Amino acid sequence: AQSVTQLGSHVSVSEGALVLLRCNYSSSVPPYLFWYVQYPNQGLQLLLKYTSAATLVKGINGFEAEFKKSETSFHLTKPSAHMSDAAEYFCAVSDRFMRFGAGTRLTVKP
Amino acid sequence: DVKVTQSSRYLVKRTGEKVFLECVQDMDHENMFWYRQDPGLGLRLIYFSYDVKMKEKGDIPEGYSVSREKKERFSLILESASTNQTSMYLCASSSDSFDQPQHFGDGTRLSIL
Repeated sequence: AQSVTQLGSHVSVSEGALVLLRCNYSSSVPPYLFWYVQYPNQGLQLLLKYTSAATLVKGINGFEAEFKKSETSFHLTKPSAHMSDAAEYFCAVSDRFMRFGAGTRLTVKP
Repeated sequence: DVKVTQSSRYLVKRTGEKVFLECVQDMDHENMFWYRQDPGLGLRLIYFSYDVKMKEKGDIPEGYSVSREKKERFSLILESASTNQTSMYLCASSSDSFDQPQHFGDGTRLSIL
């Protein structure tokens, strides 16, 4: 079965700094990959998805992710963190079911 | 926009009670899902439904059942609630294709006392 591993349960950055959230996937076939964000007391919202059209995927709120087959990675980045980016982020891979990583909580310091 | 609505944001029940969590989606999606979210464990799939009256067990179905009598509505049932079922429960829906995202409700935080 396909799976994802998120490296780092907590990431802390300063406002204006680069955000890098790591995700590695395990898949025997080209995967469908997703990043979701969860703000406190809310459900998950889709940030972006990879479906093999392009290796660099742009999402909402200035986030993007790059699919690297050789590294089986799909890391999420944002050039400049904003206070409003503080949330929990989930990477997911989809075949018949969607499999979620354990999540990375992003803290943004003023 | 897709709207997935969960009937309660917060719910407190007692051990042994039968508990119903309701979820409604307005986009005519074929697939609906119930997840449980616990700190450090991410989202774990409890049950999945791909059509009316059709269901499949997910990773942690024990102690739960589901009902889907209408396409837009998917109910999660805790037959006899126990304290280890205290958690955040998330409902989601999606169209019938693996490359499509799931759309989530805001969750129900359930406490079993």
